[in-house]
Amino acid sequence: LAKTTQPISMDSYEGQEVNITCSHNNIATNDYITWYQQFPSQGPRFIIQGYKTKVTNEVASLFIPADRKSSTLSLPRVSLSDTAVYYCLVVVNTGGFKTIFGAGTRLFVKA
Amino acid sequence: KAGVTQTPRYLIKTRGQQVTLSCSPISGHRSVSWYQQTPGQGLQFLFEYFSETQRNKGNFPGRFSGRQFSNSRSEMNVSTLELGDSALYLCASSLVGRGANNEQFFGPGTRLTVL
Repeated sequence: LAKTTQPISMDSYEGQEVNITCSHNNIATNDYITWYQQFPSQGPRFIIQGYKTKVTNEVASLFIPADRKSSTLSLPRVSLSDTAVYYCLVVVNTGGFKTIFGAGTRLFVKA
Repeated sequence: KAGVTQTPRYLIKTRGQQVTLSCSPISGHRSVSWYQQTPGQGLQFLFEYFSETQRNKGNFPGRFSGRQFSNSRSEMNVSTLELGDSALYLCASSLVGRGANNEQFFGPGTRLTVL
């Protein structure tokens, strides 16, 4: 299973764009890249998922280069409420879930 | 639509005891996964059930087991509890667990403390 590596922590200010990059060097052909957000004492919450190129939804964008060995989560104009841990993970698409969560990136947004 | 519910929310047990945790997935979701979260190890995958069958399994000892019922509700059991089993146990449900958009919806977790 593909292991992910991402920065341990990041700081930002309100209104800025935040980019969190994740590496997954041994990603397999069938794997999808997924990002989750987790607040203290809550379960993770799905943010975005992609296979290649760019995916955008109402909260974030996900950029995946052609070799798929890394991906970048982009959060536009963050607010204080975006302070959380962000997990990059690879989801094996061969039936069912067998996911590996990395250590996550602790994002701290300051006023 | 109601979210994933887990009971109990908090539990205190002593070493050697066993514990059963319950998870009710979102209505219509057939895949249920269990995770253990600790400060030291982070989020670790335990197992996944689909249509009452264990479909995937993580690297946990046999003391950790689970099952799924015909209504998709799931339970996990930990026998012979150890201090290191103290953790937040999270349950996640998904529609089918295949293909794109296989988003998992997590419950609030059960915080287990082993004394």
